[in-house]
Amino acid sequence: QKEVEQDPGPLSVPEGAIVSLNCTYSNSAFQYFMWYRQYSRKGPELLMYTYSSGNKEDGRFTAQVDKSSKYISLFIRDSQPSDSATYLCAMSADAGGTSYGKLTFGQGTILTVHP
Amino acid sequence: NAGVTQTPKFRILKIGQSMTLQCTQDMNHNYMYWYRQDPGMGLKLIYYSVGAGITDKGEVPNGYNVSRSTTEDFPLRLELAAPSQTSVYFCASRPGQIEAFFGQGTRLTVV
Repeated sequence: QKEVEQDPGPLSVPEGAIVSLNCTYSNSAFQYFMWYRQYSRKGPELLMYTYSSGNKEDGRFTAQVDKSSKYISLFIRDSQPSDSATYLCAMSADAGGTSYGKLTFGQGTILTVHP
Repeated sequence: NAGVTQTPKFRILKIGQSMTLQCTQDMNHNYMYWYRQDPGMGLKLIYYSVGAGITDKGEVPNGYNVSRSTTEDFPLRLELAAPSQTSVYFCASRPGQIEAFFGQGTRLTVV
């Protein structure tokens, strides 16, 4: 079983749709939960992160973490063509402790928002 | 502000050749990482470093070597290239906080 599982999609939605991206994980040590966005032929960039369980909102983006279910989600409201990218969930046990902030990534979901 | 710089951007190697992928960061970050990204597989950690002179293996270190003689530089060495090493390689750096900053990647093809 992979430590982090992400539905690879691909996902194609019309502009203005609500997008839901999800990951499940098996390692209970994970405390930091991140979403990276990666445009074509570019490096990943941090979109949002959440520590432990709960919700976090940033503009059109909402990240949710349910540690009891080992399940995280990213919601994108009013999706735009500029949101077209690969979205990668990533997790780490710490920010710089004994795990040295190493990230474990999901497989990535390719999202296309068409006008 | 250059951030994390990787060179080269593209490279084609023949089986058995060697090469070094360069990574430099100008943010004075202690933590640096090398990942590889294969289609549909996410990113997998090859090696990481927590400071100059300190390196350790990640999830997929076989066929690679690293060194960290300065805070800025973290080169990745491929010895005896194999087709299985065809991938996109990303270098990342991080201060003590959450966000990791990635370079633009090196696309390597081994034929």
